Amino acid sequence: SQQGEEDPQALSIQEGENATMNCSYKTSINNLQWYRQNSGRGLVHLILIRSNEREKHSGRLRVTLDTSKKSSSLLITASRAADTASYFCATGSGNTPLVFGKGTRLSVIA
Amino acid sequence: NAGVTQTPKFQVLKTGQSMTLQCAQDMNHNSMYWYRQDPGMGLRLIYYSASEGTTDKGEVPNGYNVSRLNKREFSLRLESAAPSQTSVYFCASSEGSLRGGSPLHFGNGTRLTVT
Repeated sequence: SQQGEEDPQALSIQEGENATMNCSYKTSINNLQWYRQNSGRGLVHLILIRSNEREKHSGRLRVTLDTSKKSSSLLITASRAADTASYFCATGSGNTPLVFGKGTRLSVIA
Repeated sequence: NAGVTQTPKFQVLKTGQSMTLQCAQDMNHNSMYWYRQDPGMGLRLIYYSASEGTTDKGEVPNGYNVSRLNKREFSLRLESAAPSQTSVYFCASSEGSLRGGSPLHFGNGTRLTVT
């Protein structure tokens, strides 16, 4: 069963705006990862945050993790049309494989 | 450097037919995975192999079998295809242990339709 649930399911913004996606999960985790999927392609890893970390940055991406609320957010700043894709969170717990959420579809309009 | 290669890219089967989806990685990764992706359902794990010689069931293993042929290759077999197995199948690999949280590297998928 899905561990992470992304919110919103779909998001449409103008180029240059910031996009924020949220992920909530149910059980304790070792790490949380975000992936991007362009249409018709496989998922691509974006960023990993461990359970003892609160925030990480990678280029225009900022990820936060609040283990007390069992939630994470992915912020994409100054979005571009090329950022149009589906974004998935995935949680790692114990010695088991990643469990993926259902994803957020982001549309960036030029 | 190809990463994770899946074949075929597309396949149409009739109910009851069998087929094997092939996956190979050239990154010397230890762990390999098979996921299926259905609209509105996200990715669900079918089987995984944490290391060469081991395989384990995931969330939705019924109707599938796997073989970790060697460190590079991990195949998924449908013995008797059913329309419910119409999906996009993704193979992935990761370098380290499951606990370590190694990122997954994905292939571009096999789009399977069962009529």
